[in-house]
Amino acid sequence: GAGVSQSPRYKVAKRGQDVALRCDPISGHVSLFWYQQALGQGPEFLTYFQNEAQLDKSGLPSDRFFAERPEGSVSTLKIQRTQQEDSAVYLCASSPRGVGNTIYFGEGSWLTVV
Amino acid sequence: LAKTTQPISMDSYEGQEVNITCSHNNIATNDYITWYQQFPSQGPRFIIQGYKTKVTNEVASLFIPADRKSSTLSLPRVSLSDTAVYYCLGGYGSSNTGKLIFGQGTTLQVKP
Repeated sequence: GAGVSQSPRYKVAKRGQDVALRCDPISGHVSLFWYQQALGQGPEFLTYFQNEAQLDKSGLPSDRFFAERPEGSVSTLKIQRTQQEDSAVYLCASSPRGVGNTIYFGEGSWLTVV
Repeated sequence: LAKTTQPISMDSYEGQEVNITCSHNNIATNDYITWYQQFPSQGPRFIIQGYKTKVTNEVASLFIPADRKSSTLSLPRVSLSDTAVYYCLGGYGSSNTGKLIFGQGTTLQVKP
């Protein structure tokens, strides 16, 4: 079956531009996560959804970052007025039920802000 | 959530067994220990998960002592394709919202 799908795979944005990153989780997966991974570092948690409810957004670095999952399936991570420090890989992951299950990661969306 | 400590890097040769130890001194009673593998330009991939004693699957073994303050990932007979970053995580407890803490991981370099 299909894994977690993310698009675009690569994105170059000019500083100040808004970007939207899409995540298609594995079908039927209840939980969805966004992580940010800087070069040479481990992934860092951004936010967590259970169905359409955003239960934890404590990792979002600023109010320029916004995530949604309106119908409990596809999710979008939006970054407004991008800055160079936003350059990173944005990883989406999903898991079948709530907490306590293995989470499956997508390949990531590589964002470069110039 | 358990903060984990693991070596930054390790070298090995093809065919050898590799053991990567992770410390998680403050792991919670209901936390599991999970290991992920990450290749360049890919997302992390689940390897193995355990709570205590020993767990084995087709890829690796995980040894967790009784005090659960550490764990050891064992990769039998590594090949060049096992060169990757390996992350040890503590979490998945009932109170966990999914906020996994990855750390910097262990970069394993397998040489011919």
